Amino acid sequence: QLQLQESGPGLVKPSETLSLTCTVSGDSIITSSYYWGWIRQPPGKGLEWIGSVYFRGSTYYNPSLKSRVTLSVDTSKNQFSLELSSVTAADTAVYYCARQNIYDSRGYETPYYFDYWGQGTLVTVSS
Amino acid sequence: EIVLTQSPATLSLSPGDRATLSCRASQSVSSSLAWYQQKPGQAPRLLIYDASNRATGIPARFSGSGSGTDFTLTISSLEPEDFAVYYCQQGSNWPSPTFGQGTKVDIK
Repeated sequence: QLQLQESGPGLVKPSETLSLTCTVSGDSIITSSYYWGWIRQPPGKGLEWIGSVYFRGSTYYNPSLKSRVTLSVDTSKNQFSLELSSVTAADTAVYYCARQNIYDSRGYETPYYFDYWGQGTLVTVSS
Repeated sequence: EIVLTQSPATLSLSPGDRATLSCRASQSVSSSLAWYQQKPGQAPRLLIYDASNRATGIPARFSGSGSGTDFTLTISSLEPEDFAVYYCQQGSNWPSPTFGQGTKVDIK
């Protein structure tokens, strides 16, 4: 059974960098069928895609966050990571990592939906 | 950016009722639409992908339909565990997948 687990500080100061890691267990992160993504959810609000990374290192970012986001992957540890710089209170959210299918049911390259999610970790930005 | 508008914002129903949730896209997303269920304190769970395909382990009472700009999630007979928030998500314009704002299904 595939499992994803987020880890990292729960409190980050304004203007600093938020860093989270997602550890994947139950399967290898080295797969041609999936990206590995990050999604966040501010308290009481909806979901926002942050970005996704392929095991070979290709990255895809939400245009609204692109200037502040860096995703990376460590295949030796079966992990992928998120860095979000210059955080403000608006970045306070539950951060989820998730597996993203690259191919749709017809076999076309249409990455979008997430079939396995971590439990999420709340990151609060406050001094 | 493709905007997804979900309606209604809240749906108040009783166990056993049929639930019909709507998701409308600001432009065509073909059939690249997914639905998720989220319960308080939990991560979203994938229900439907590609507009009408049930994800692994999802009960048959959940069904999805639509294409282009108008989509529907139907729960044929609500079970107590189905009261939750439901989100749609589109993937037509990678790399800019977006989510709807959610519909809460609560107990009447």
